[in-house]
Amino acid sequence: EIVMTQSPATLSVSPGERATLSCRASQSVSNNLAWYQQKPGRAPRLLIYGASTRATGIPARFSGSGSGTEFTLTISSLQSEDFAVYYCQHYNNWPFTFGPGTKVDIK
Amino acid sequence: EVQLVESGGGLVQPGGSLRLSCAASAFTFTSYPMSWVRQAPGKGLEWVSLISNFGGSTYYADSVKGRFTVSRDNSKNTLYLQMNSLRAEDTAVYYCARRDYSHAFDIWGQGTMVTVSS
Repeated sequence: EIVMTQSPATLSVSPGERATLSCRASQSVSNNLAWYQQKPGRAPRLLIYGASTRATGIPARFSGSGSGTEFTLTISSLQSEDFAVYYCQHYNNWPFTFGPGTKVDIK
Repeated sequence: EVQLVESGGGLVQPGGSLRLSCAASAFTFTSYPMSWVRQAPGKGLEWVSLISNFGGSTYYADSVKGRFTVSRDNSKNTLYLQMNSLRAEDTAVYYCARRDYSHAFDIWGQGTMVTVSS
């Protein structure tokens, strides 16, 4: 099973600042990596797939990069609605696994 | 509007069974594999199971293999999760999700809560 790790666990950011979230896979997942955003009491929302492609309707301030084992989600200028938990997930092979999440909160 | 709506959650005793349903609407159900993902209270996301478009292939997390069974009725646009031999650690919100052409999960339901407790 591929183990996904994320860092940091919590990221405190001021509105308008840049946020950089990291995700690492225990073995290569190529570019078979997605990022999801989840707000309290809500279902996750797909942000990025294929490591770097924004899903439909996702603002351009969200960008993804990386391949193999190291991935990054960048939010260029945080808006109030971006404070949430972010999960990475690989879908390279079974079982699909999620990272533990990074909580982005207000500084 | 493309939508997934889960139902069937509730309180069940350890060792008991429960069947979850996920009703899909506004898209061609047979075009997509479907999955279940769960989230224990205050915890992260855990992928549980996936079924192919016509049900010919199914996949499970080790934590539920042999106890849970995923199925679908394409005539009713509905996904199911039969959960047997339930344990306290199965307590979670269960989401159904559509696996789209990108292979990521692009549409999620609102979730249904399952509580396993005596």
